[in-house]
Parts: sequence; C-alpha cells; structure tokens
Amino acid sequence: DIQMTQSPSTLSASVGDRVTITCRASQRISSWLAWYQQKPGKAPKLLIYKASFLEDGVPSRFSGSGSGTEFTLTISSLLPDDFATYYCQQYDSYLYTFGQGTKLEIK
Amino acid sequence: QVQLVQSGAEVKKPGASVKVSCKASGYNFTAYYMHWLRRAPGQGLEWMGWINPNSGGTIFAQKFQGRVTMTTDTSISTAYMELDRLTSDDAALYYCARSRVSGTHYFQFWGQGTLVTVSS
Repeated sequence: DIQMTQSPSTLSASVGDRVTITCRASQRISSWLAWYQQKPGKAPKLLIYKASFLEDGVPSRFSGSGSGTEFTLTISSLLPDDFATYYCQQYDSYLYTFGQGTKLEIK
Repeated sequence: QVQLVQSGAEVKKPGASVKVSCKASGYNFTAYYMHWLRRAPGQGLEWMGWINPNSGGTIFAQKFQGRVTMTTDTSISTAYMELDRLTSDDAALYYCARSRVSGTHYFQFWGQGTLVTVSS
C-alpha cells in the first residue's frame, strides 16, 4: 500500500497569511494526487486533482504542485472560510489512500 | 446537477450488519463507478471499495474483503454498501462518492454521509 504522510498535522495561521501543506507518498505516484477540504459536519470538497489542476469553482488562491513523491497545497492569502481540515489522496494505484489530514486553525 | 443522497443514521450492536444506501441523480448512473469511504472519529478518510454499476463488478480494500458487500439497483439509481460483523472500530461516518471523470478514482461528488454507531 502507498502511504501518504501530510505535514504539519496542525497549522495555526491568520487571515491573509500564505500557507503551505506538504504531502509525501511512500512511492512514486506521478501526478495522481488530489487535495480535499473538509469542514465539520460536511463531506469533503475536491480542490485540486492531478496534483495541480484546480477544480471548477475553487478560488485561485488555492494551488497545488509536485510530482513523484512530494506535493504541496498552497493557499496564497487565507480567508476566514479556509479554516478547515485538508487531505491529500493518491489515486495512482488501488488501494486509494489519504493523508491523515492537516487541520488549519485560526491563530 | 449531480446529487448523492444517503440513508439516515444507524445504531447497531456489535456483530450485526449495516446497509447504507446512496441514491444518485443528475447523471447517467451506470457510467461512473460508485465508491464508498469512511471516516472514523479522530481518524482520516479511508477508502473501502468501488462498484461498477454497469457490470456489478467490485473492488474492495483488502481490509474489508469478506465483510463488505456492494450492490446497485440501476432501476432506481441507487448503490448499497453492507458491512457485516460490526465492531466498535466500524463506528464512522460512511460516504458514497463519485469520480469527476469516469474511470478515475478521485472524488468530485459526495453523499452527505451516514453515521454508523456501534454500541451494545
């Protein structure tokens, strides 16, 4: 199984900050990586697919990069609505696995 | 618009089974695999498996093999996930999800989640 490791687990930031979340795969997954945002009581929301492609309707302050084993999600200028938990997911191979999540908190 | 509407919360005793439904609308149900995932309290997201509504073919995560059944009723565009021999570790929020593009395995559309509680 491909293990996905996110860092940090928790991130404290302020509105307007630029933040970056990292996701590392235990083996190469090309660009087969997605990022999701999840808020309490809600289903996950797709933000990024194929490592860097922005899902329709997702604000351009979100961006993704990387390939192989290391990936990043960047939010260029935090808004209050961005405080949530973020997950990466590899879909290079069955079994499709997720990172453990990064909780983005208001500082 | 695409919608996935899941059945309501369930409370089950250890050793029992649970069956969750997911009614799809707004797209050709047989054209996209339906995936099932779960999120246990304090844990991350876990993929359980998928079903191809067109063929009935399934793939399950090894962890759930022998204990999970996924079916569909194409006449009512509904997918089902049944998990047997429940333990406290199976207490979670269960989701059905559909991919963005047929044949890919990342998830654009999600059900609202079904809470399964396992308690004696």
